Amino acid sequence: NAGVTQTPKFQVLKTGQSMTLQCAQDMNHNSMYWYRQDPGMGLRLIYYSASEGTTDKGEVPNGYNVSRLNKREFSLRLESAAPSQTSVYFCASSPGGPGDTQYFGPGTRLTVL
Amino acid sequence: TQLLEQSPQFLSIQEGENLTVYCNSSSVFSSLQWYRQEPGEGPVLLVTVVTGGEVKKLKRLTFQFGDARKDSSLHITAAQPGDTGLYLCAGIYGGSQGNLIFGKGTKLSVKP
Repeated sequence: NAGVTQTPKFQVLKTGQSMTLQCAQDMNHNSMYWYRQDPGMGLRLIYYSASEGTTDKGEVPNGYNVSRLNKREFSLRLESAAPSQTSVYFCASSPGGPGDTQYFGPGTRLTVL
Repeated sequence: TQLLEQSPQFLSIQEGENLTVYCNSSSVFSSLQWYRQEPGEGPVLLVTVVTGGEVKKLKRLTFQFGDARKDSSLHITAAQPGDTGLYLCAGIYGGSQGNLIFGKGTKLSVKP
Protein backbone atom coordinates (compact mmCIF):
# COMPACT_ATOMS: atom_id res chain seq x y z
CA ASN A 1 0.00 0.00 0.00
CA ALA A 2 1.33 3.40 -0.97
CA GLY A 3 -1.09 5.24 1.35
CA VAL A 4 -1.60 8.82 0.17
CA THR A 5 0.43 9.98 -2.81
CA GLN A 6 0.78 13.54 -4.11
CA THR A 7 2.20 14.94 -7.31
CA PRO A 8 4.20 16.98 -7.98
CA LYS A 9 6.56 17.22 -5.01
CA PHE A 10 7.81 20.68 -5.96
CA GLN A 11 6.46 23.35 -8.31
CA VAL A 12 7.35 26.92 -9.19
CA LEU A 13 4.73 29.07 -10.91
CA LYS A 14 4.56 32.63 -12.12
CA THR A 15 1.74 34.86 -10.95
CA GLY A 16 -1.38 34.18 -13.00
CA GLN A 17 -0.44 30.67 -14.11
CA SER A 18 -2.71 27.75 -13.34
CA MET A 19 -1.97 24.25 -12.14
CA THR A 20 -3.57 21.18 -10.60
CA LEU A 21 -2.20 19.29 -7.62
CA GLN A 22 -3.01 15.61 -7.72
CA CYS A 23 -3.76 13.35 -4.76
CA ALA A 24 -4.63 9.66 -4.62
CA GLN A 25 -5.21 7.19 -1.78
CA ASP A 26 -5.35 3.40 -1.92
CA MET A 27 -6.91 2.77 1.51
CA ASN A 28 -10.54 2.88 0.34
CA HIS A 29 -11.19 5.90 2.55
CA ASN A 30 -14.38 7.87 2.21
CA SER A 31 -13.09 11.32 3.18
CA MET A 32 -10.32 13.34 1.63
CA TYR A 33 -8.88 16.76 2.52
CA TRP A 34 -6.63 19.48 1.20
CA TYR A 35 -4.62 21.59 3.67
CA ARG A 36 -2.04 24.29 3.34
CA GLN A 37 0.77 24.77 5.84
CA ASP A 38 2.49 28.12 6.24
CA PRO A 39 5.21 29.06 8.74
CA GLY A 40 3.66 30.06 12.04
CA MET A 41 0.13 29.28 10.82
CA GLY A 42 -0.23 25.57 11.32
CA LEU A 43 -2.38 23.46 9.00
CA ARG A 44 -5.45 25.14 7.53
CA LEU A 45 -8.20 23.27 5.73
CA ILE A 46 -8.86 24.40 2.16
CA TYR A 47 -11.51 21.90 1.03
CA TYR A 48 -12.96 18.64 2.24
CA SER A 49 -14.78 15.79 0.49
CA ALA A 50 -16.87 13.39 2.56
CA SER A 51 -17.56 11.09 -0.37
CA GLU A 52 -17.29 10.82 -4.11
CA GLY A 53 -19.16 13.68 -5.73
CA THR A 54 -19.34 15.92 -2.65
CA THR A 55 -17.06 18.76 -1.61
CA ASP A 56 -17.22 21.39 1.13
CA LYS A 57 -15.27 24.57 1.76
CA GLY A 58 -12.86 24.71 4.64
CA GLU A 59 -11.27 27.66 6.40
CA VAL A 60 -9.36 29.12 3.40
CA PRO A 61 -11.08 28.13 0.09
CA ASN A 62 -10.66 31.37 -1.86
CA GLY A 63 -8.55 31.00 -5.01
CA TYR A 64 -8.92 27.21 -5.14
CA ASN A 65 -11.21 24.65 -6.73
CA VAL A 66 -11.36 20.93 -6.10
CA SER A 67 -12.63 17.81 -7.85
CA ARG A 68 -13.36 14.45 -6.22
CA LEU A 69 -12.85 12.47 -9.42
CA ASN A 70 -13.64 9.11 -7.82
CA LYS A 71 -13.18 7.53 -4.42
CA ARG A 72 -9.39 7.39 -4.82
CA GLU A 73 -8.57 10.79 -6.26
CA PHE A 74 -9.02 14.37 -5.06
CA SER A 75 -7.41 17.19 -7.01
CA LEU A 76 -6.80 20.83 -6.10
CA ARG A 77 -6.69 23.48 -8.81
CA LEU A 78 -5.26 26.97 -8.70
CA GLU A 79 -6.83 28.88 -11.60
CA SER A 80 -4.70 32.02 -11.36
CA ALA A 81 -1.84 31.61 -8.90
CA ALA A 82 -0.88 34.45 -6.57
CA PRO A 83 2.22 34.88 -4.39
CA SER A 84 -0.02 34.49 -1.32
CA GLN A 85 -0.58 30.89 -2.40
CA THR A 86 3.08 30.04 -1.88
CA SER A 87 2.85 27.25 0.67
CA VAL A 88 3.22 23.55 1.33
CA TYR A 89 0.05 21.68 0.37
CA PHE A 90 -0.96 18.44 2.05
CA CYS A 91 -3.61 15.99 1.00
CA ALA A 92 -5.07 13.65 3.62
CA SER A 93 -7.69 10.92 3.82
CA SER A 94 -9.69 9.26 6.59
CA PRO A 95 -12.05 6.29 6.76
CA GLY A 96 -14.94 8.35 8.12
CA GLY A 97 -15.19 12.01 9.10
CA PRO A 98 -12.54 14.50 10.26
CA GLY A 99 -12.50 12.98 13.76
CA ASP A 100 -11.10 9.73 12.40
CA THR A 101 -7.36 9.25 12.00
CA GLN A 102 -6.21 11.30 9.04
CA TYR A 103 -3.43 9.92 6.87
CA PHE A 104 -1.33 12.56 5.17
CA GLY A 105 0.60 12.58 1.95
CA PRO A 106 4.20 13.85 1.72
CA GLY A 107 3.17 17.32 0.53
CA THR A 108 3.71 19.58 -2.47
CA ARG A 109 5.93 22.60 -2.00
CA LEU A 110 4.59 25.38 -4.24
CA THR A 111 6.30 28.70 -4.90
CA VAL A 112 4.49 31.45 -6.80
CA LEU A 113 6.76 34.22 -8.09
CA THR B 1 -14.26 30.73 16.17
CA GLN B 2 -12.47 27.70 17.55
CA LEU B 3 -8.83 28.28 18.41
CA LEU B 4 -6.09 26.01 19.70
CA GLU B 5 -3.04 27.62 21.27
CA GLN B 6 0.12 25.55 21.56
CA SER B 7 3.05 26.38 23.80
CA PRO B 8 5.91 26.72 23.70
CA GLN B 9 6.29 27.53 20.02
CA PHE B 10 9.92 26.34 20.00
CA LEU B 11 11.81 24.06 22.39
CA SER B 12 15.46 23.05 22.21
CA ILE B 13 16.73 20.56 24.78
CA GLN B 14 19.52 18.07 25.37
CA GLU B 15 19.10 14.33 25.00
CA GLY B 16 17.85 12.78 28.24
CA GLU B 17 15.83 15.78 29.44
CA ASN B 18 12.11 15.70 30.12
CA LEU B 19 9.67 18.15 28.56
CA THR B 20 5.99 19.05 28.41
CA VAL B 21 4.15 20.84 25.64
CA TYR B 22 0.67 22.25 25.95
CA CYS B 23 -2.43 22.68 23.83
CA ASN B 24 -5.11 25.04 25.17
CA SER B 25 -8.47 26.36 24.05
CA SER B 26 -11.49 28.17 25.43
CA SER B 27 -13.69 25.71 23.52
CA VAL B 28 -14.78 22.20 24.43
CA PHE B 29 -13.73 19.48 22.02
CA SER B 30 -15.28 16.08 21.35
CA SER B 31 -11.79 14.65 21.15
CA LEU B 32 -8.24 15.78 20.59
CA GLN B 33 -5.45 14.35 18.51
CA TRP B 34 -1.67 14.73 18.64
CA TYR B 35 0.39 14.45 15.47
CA ARG B 36 4.15 14.52 14.87
CA GLN B 37 5.56 15.92 11.66
CA GLU B 38 9.16 15.42 10.55
CA PRO B 39 10.82 17.81 8.07
CA GLY B 40 9.67 17.23 4.49
CA GLU B 41 6.89 14.84 5.47
CA GLY B 42 3.22 14.92 6.35
CA PRO B 43 1.94 14.71 9.94
CA VAL B 44 1.51 11.27 11.48
CA LEU B 45 -1.08 10.59 14.18
CA LEU B 46 0.35 9.69 17.60
CA VAL B 47 -2.79 9.44 19.72
CA THR B 48 -6.44 10.42 20.08
CA VAL B 49 -7.86 11.29 23.51
CA VAL B 50 -11.60 11.28 23.95
CA THR B 51 -12.60 11.30 27.62
CA GLY B 52 -12.03 14.23 29.97
CA GLY B 53 -9.13 13.38 32.31
CA GLU B 54 -7.92 10.59 30.06
CA VAL B 55 -4.24 9.69 30.13
CA LYS B 56 -2.61 7.66 27.38
CA LYS B 57 0.97 6.42 27.24
CA LEU B 58 2.97 5.62 24.15
CA LYS B 59 6.41 4.41 25.30
CA ARG B 60 8.11 7.58 26.62
CA LEU B 61 5.23 9.86 25.60
CA THR B 62 2.35 10.60 27.97
CA PHE B 63 -0.75 12.40 26.73
CA GLN B 64 -3.39 13.92 28.96
CA PHE B 65 -6.79 15.38 28.10
CA GLY B 66 -8.06 18.02 30.51
CA ASP B 67 -11.09 17.26 32.69
CA ALA B 68 -13.14 19.91 30.88
CA ARG B 69 -11.93 18.71 27.45
CA LYS B 70 -10.52 22.16 26.63
CA ASP B 71 -6.81 21.42 26.95
CA SER B 72 -4.22 18.72 26.59
CA SER B 73 -0.56 18.11 27.33
CA LEU B 74 2.17 15.92 25.94
CA HIS B 75 5.01 14.90 28.24
CA ILE B 76 8.16 13.25 26.89
CA THR B 77 10.47 11.46 29.31
CA ALA B 78 14.19 11.18 28.55
CA ALA B 79 13.96 12.82 25.14
CA GLN B 80 15.99 11.38 22.28
CA PRO B 81 17.15 12.97 19.01
CA GLY B 82 14.55 10.84 17.21
CA ASP B 83 11.83 12.82 19.02
CA THR B 84 12.81 15.92 17.05
CA GLY B 85 9.94 17.28 14.99
CA LEU B 86 6.85 19.47 14.93
CA TYR B 87 4.15 18.40 17.39
CA LEU B 88 0.65 19.41 16.37
CA CYS B 89 -2.53 19.13 18.37
CA ALA B 90 -5.87 18.99 16.58
CA GLY B 91 -9.26 19.41 18.18
CA ILE B 92 -12.46 17.86 16.91
CA TYR B 93 -15.75 19.56 17.64
CA GLY B 94 -19.19 18.54 16.54
CA GLY B 95 -18.57 14.81 16.92
CA SER B 96 -16.46 12.49 14.72
CA GLN B 97 -18.29 13.80 11.64
CA GLY B 98 -17.65 17.37 12.74
CA ASN B 99 -14.76 19.71 12.19
CA LEU B 100 -11.06 19.45 12.94
CA ILE B 101 -8.80 22.39 13.67
CA PHE B 102 -5.05 22.32 14.14
CA GLY B 103 -2.89 24.31 16.50
CA LYS B 104 0.23 25.98 15.11
CA GLY B 105 2.52 23.40 16.63
CA THR B 106 5.54 23.12 18.91
CA LYS B 107 8.86 22.69 17.12
CA LEU B 108 11.06 20.39 19.24
CA SER B 109 14.78 19.93 18.74
CA VAL B 110 16.61 17.32 20.83
CA LYS B 111 20.38 17.63 20.65
CA PRO B 112 22.65 14.62 21.21
